[in-house]
Amino acid sequence: AQSVTQPDIHITVSEGASLELRCNYSYGATPYLFWYVQSPGQGLQLLLKYFSGDTLVQGIKGFEAEFKRSQSSFNLRKPSVHWSDAAEYFCAVGSGGYNKLIFGAGTRLAVHP
Amino acid sequence: NAGVTQTPKFQVLKTGQSMTLQCAQDMNHNSMYWYRQDPGMGLRLIYYSASEGTTDKGEVPNGYNVSRLNKREFSLRLESAAPSQTSVYFCASRGLSTNEKLFFGSGTQLSVL
Repeated sequence: AQSVTQPDIHITVSEGASLELRCNYSYGATPYLFWYVQSPGQGLQLLLKYFSGDTLVQGIKGFEAEFKRSQSSFNLRKPSVHWSDAAEYFCAVGSGGYNKLIFGAGTRLAVHP
Repeated sequence: NAGVTQTPKFQVLKTGQSMTLQCAQDMNHNSMYWYRQDPGMGLRLIYYSASEGTTDKGEVPNGYNVSRLNKREFSLRLESAAPSQTSVYFCASRGLSTNEKLFFGSGTQLSVL
């Protein structure tokens, strides 16, 4: 069965520091992978997605993620965090058509000035 | 540009009461989804509708029913609410192509006492 693990429940970084949020997935075939961000009281917004091709994908707001098949990982990175990046981040995996998109438990990011 | 609209935004129920959460999208999307979000568990798929006239169970369908009233609307019904159904509920939709992203509503906060 598909599953997604986000090992870090909470992460705190200083503004301007680099960021890496971890995501590991379990899926038999080539997965469709996503990162979503949720600001307080809001729905989820797509940051980026991987379907095939280049394993390093660029997203909105300066985020990128790298698909590593050998490690079953799809970690999210940002070189320099801004205070407005404080939010909850969700990794998700979907099968073909991703009608059953499975989300991780989320990582809550706090940014110190 | 309303996108995905959910009503109500907040609701308090007593155990055993029934209610229907409404969701409508104005993007002519084929697929619609209902998720629930609980602390530490990410989003879990309750039901989805891949196209008008079809519905399928997700990860946690027990205690819920859905209706795809037309292409725009997808409602979620709790026939006899239980405290375990206290959660934040999100409706989402997406278009026909496999690589299209999910658009989320802003959520319904439901408390069952």
